[in-house]
Amino acid sequence: EAGVAQSPRYKIIEKRQSVAFWCNPISGHATLYWYQQILGQGPKLLIQFQNNGVVDDSQLPKDRFSAERLKGVDSTLKIQPAKLEDSAVYLCASSRGGPEANYGYTFGSGTRLTVV
Amino acid sequence: GQSLEQPSEVTAVEGAIVQINCTYQTSGFYGLSWYQQHDGGAPTFLSYNALDGLEETGRFSSFLSRSDSYGYLLLQELQMKDSASYFCAVRDIHRGSTLGRLYFGRGTQLTVWP
Repeated sequence: EAGVAQSPRYKIIEKRQSVAFWCNPISGHATLYWYQQILGQGPKLLIQFQNNGVVDDSQLPKDRFSAERLKGVDSTLKIQPAKLEDSAVYLCASSRGGPEANYGYTFGSGTRLTVV
Repeated sequence: GQSLEQPSEVTAVEGAIVQINCTYQTSGFYGLSWYQQHDGGAPTFLSYNALDGLEETGRFSSFLSRSDSYGYLLLQELQMKDSASYFCAVRDIHRGSTLGRLYFGRGTQLTVWP
C-alpha cells in the first residue's frame, strides 16, 4: 500500500509569513494526525481527526495554526503568521482508528519548516 | 497530563545487547509503544504493549510493567543500521472518545559502533 504523502518536503519562510502543508493519508485510514517535532525532541500532537471531524485539538495554538480535513481524506495544516519558534518538522500520520491504531501509526516523511 | 522519561543517548558495539528504559506518568493508559526514527526519516512503529510482560519481534523485544509505570525496549544482535532515535509513546484514554492519543517521549539516540 502507498504510504502517507506529505508536501512540500522543505519550506523556508520569513517570520510573519504564512505557510501551508498538505497530507494525503493511507487509503482507508479514518484517523489522521498532525505532529510537530522540534529538533532533538519527540513528536508533539497538534490535532487529531476522525474522518473529517476534529477529535482533539487541545495542543494546537489556535491563534496562528489551523487545520482542516475536507471529505475525510486529505488534510492541510496552516500557520499564519509564522514565528521563529515554529521551525520544526511537521509530521502527518494516519491509522485505521479504534483498537487497530494501537498497532502503529504510519507517518509521512514530514515537512521541514525553517522560519527566518 | 502526560510525562515520559527515557535516556537521551545510548552507545553500544555491533553484536551487543542494549536496553532503553522508559518511565511514564499519564492520567489514563491504554498501552506503551516504541518507534524508531532515523535521521531525516519518519518515525516507524516497532512494538506495542498493553499488558504486563514481554513482547518479542525478531531482534527487538519490548516489556511493560503497568504497576511500575515502566517499560523497556531490548535490542539484540545490534547492527550498524540500528543507529537511530528510539521513542517510547503512551496511548492515553481520551475523554469522550475511544481513540485515545499518542504522546511521545523526547527520544533516545542509539549509536552503534563497529
